[in-house]
Amino acid sequence: RKEVEQDPGPFNVPEGATVAFNCTYSNSASQSFFWYRQDCRKEPKLLMSVYSSGNEDGRFTAQLNRASQYISLLIRDSKLSDSATYLCVVNPSLSGGYNKLIFGAGTRLAVHP
Amino acid sequence: ETGVTQSPTHLIKTRGQQVTLRCSSQSGHNTVSWYQQALGQGPQFIFQYYREEENGRGNFPPRFSGLQFPNYSSELNVNALELDDSALYLCASSRGRGTSAQETQYFGPGTRLLVL
Repeated sequence: RKEVEQDPGPFNVPEGATVAFNCTYSNSASQSFFWYRQDCRKEPKLLMSVYSSGNEDGRFTAQLNRASQYISLLIRDSKLSDSATYLCVVNPSLSGGYNKLIFGAGTRLAVHP
Repeated sequence: ETGVTQSPTHLIKTRGQQVTLRCSSQSGHNTVSWYQQALGQGPQFIFQYYREEENGRGNFPPRFSGLQFPNYSSELNVNALELDDSALYLCASSRGRGTSAQETQYFGPGTRLLVL
């Protein structure tokens, strides 16, 4: 079983649509959680951290369910510029004393006019 | 831009050769992590350097090695290249080695390596 699993997509949605991505992780001791965005042939960029209470940044809302080991990202009012691959990322544990990120394979989003 | 730079941007090597990739961290960052991203996959952690010492390692063989210099820039060396080493190699810098759970890693643009 992969440590972080995501639906690979692609999700093809029209502008203005609401789209949701889901992610599960296997290590229950994981400490911190993120969504990164990666444009084609570019580096990953931090979109937002994910907190247990849920958090929102403009059109983006992230949720974490520690009991189910489940993370989600909701994008409202999709824009053409949202087209990218969205990577679910987990920092598994602080026990090793280092900051190792575990990435899912990513979910591709294509927003069309 | 993140302020993290990598060189070269692209590289073509043949099987069995050796390669050195370079990374300059963001100002004020003392930790560099290296990741390998194969086509269609998410990045995989190779290792991390903190204050010139290897601070953690992923599931990569010893032919993947690294260095960090006093100015916190870093090198990734890969010996005896194999076809499967073809990937995007990303470095990420951060302010610390992860004692804070919310430490953010900022990625450079990557080096795209093709092994023929």
